[in-house]
Amino acid sequence: AQSVTQLGSHVSVSEGALVLLRCNYSSSVPPYLFWYVQYPNQGLQLLLKYTSAATLVKGINGFEAEFKKSETSFHLTKPSAHMSDAAEYFCAVSDRDNQGGKLIFGQGTELSVKP
Amino acid sequence: GAGVSQSPRYKVAKRGQDVALRCDPISGHVSLFWYQQALGQGPEFLTYFQNEAQLDKSGLPSDRFFAERPEGSVSTLKIQRTQQEDSAVYLCASSRRSGANVLTFGAGSRLTVL
Repeated sequence: AQSVTQLGSHVSVSEGALVLLRCNYSSSVPPYLFWYVQYPNQGLQLLLKYTSAATLVKGINGFEAEFKKSETSFHLTKPSAHMSDAAEYFCAVSDRDNQGGKLIFGQGTELSVKP
Repeated sequence: GAGVSQSPRYKVAKRGQDVALRCDPISGHVSLFWYQQALGQGPEFLTYFQNEAQLDKSGLPSDRFFAERPEGSVSTLKIQRTQQEDSAVYLCASSRRSGANVLTFGAGSRLTVL
């Protein structure tokens, strides 16, 4: 069975500062990993995904994440935060060997950006 | 359509009423998922369709919840005899291929049960 743990339900950074959102996963098989962003009253939007190619994955809006198997982590980073990055971020895992695989989401991390 | 469309966006129901939530996936998308997102929580899987076949309904919380996708496109999530604990945002997502690799989510239907 897969699971995801997001450390920190709320992260606050200043505009221009580094963004680091933590995600650890548990999976009995090599996983697919995802980061989604959710703005208020909107659906989830895919930021990036890891599917066993490069361990450093670049996504939209300047975000990237690094898959570290030894640490079972997939932390999301962005060098310089913008006000528009304020949103809820979800890490998710999917069983890559299951054709009908579903996404298992973490609890989410709310990112606040201070001017 | 250009995206996944859900209706109604907001629904208020009295406890005990039946509700139906509709999802119009992206045209041609094979896979369709329903998720339940309680306030302050991550989405939780309810059920999965591949075309018209419901391949996984392990996340449906009780037999009051029923989902269908009779022609392999539009899907309806029905909740009978709603309870307060059913209050949540119900998200629909679709994918071009089988499986959940890249999902496009709708904006959700927010259900409030009084």
